[in-house]
Amino acid sequence: ETGVTQSPTHLIKTRGQQVTLRCSSQSGHNTVSWYQQALGQGPQFIFQYYREEENGRGNFPPRFSGLQFPNYSSELNVNALELDDSALYLCASSLAGGGRNYGYTFGSGTRLTVV
Amino acid sequence: AQSVTQLDSQVPVFEEAPVELRCNYSSSVSVYLFWYVQYPNQGLQLLLKYLSGSTLVESINGFEAEFNKSQTSFHLRKPSVHISDTAEYFCAVRRHQGGSEKLVFGKGTKLTVNP
Repeated sequence: ETGVTQSPTHLIKTRGQQVTLRCSSQSGHNTVSWYQQALGQGPQFIFQYYREEENGRGNFPPRFSGLQFPNYSSELNVNALELDDSALYLCASSLAGGGRNYGYTFGSGTRLTVV
Repeated sequence: AQSVTQLDSQVPVFEEAPVELRCNYSSSVSVYLFWYVQYPNQGLQLLLKYLSGSTLVESINGFEAEFNKSQTSFHLRKPSVHISDTAEYFCAVRRHQGGSEKLVFGKGTKLTVNP
């Protein structure tokens, strides 16, 4: 059983650029959630994808967007990067049904630095 | 809205001493509570969870937490810590949002175990 894999592990971008982060979900999981963890803070929910559609969103602007593919992997896209977007981005996969999630498995994260 | 408060941002202790990491949550009809651990430069690992049943839950590495509904607390304890327990610990509550669920995290407690 494979876990959650995120890529890349680190990257540096310039303010105003766009970035795409990738996540492969754990085998048997059908839902992917993305979290932003700023330095010294707990993770904050960005959004969740289920059956290739966004079905829950936190307090993040529209320049944060995502995709889920038929194999349940996912991408997080951030446009017009700002310095405050510098953070660890965590992907969590889970098995969902009937509006409930049955256990989350987190990846190791992508450390994004915006300069 | 459900929220989580971790009362201590940093807890230094000596090896083999007992430790308690405090977590309080805002009340709700039903509560599902979690403790996650994050080692340096890694993602989140589930330590233990309370969904229902016995209010005392245990992990495989000696940690335990007790769900106290009257005090709205879910404190994490270990009777004797090891150097390897040095990490950041996050308390989280599962919250419904529309047709989905998300985790709401506290700001974390950094546990440092000194020799």
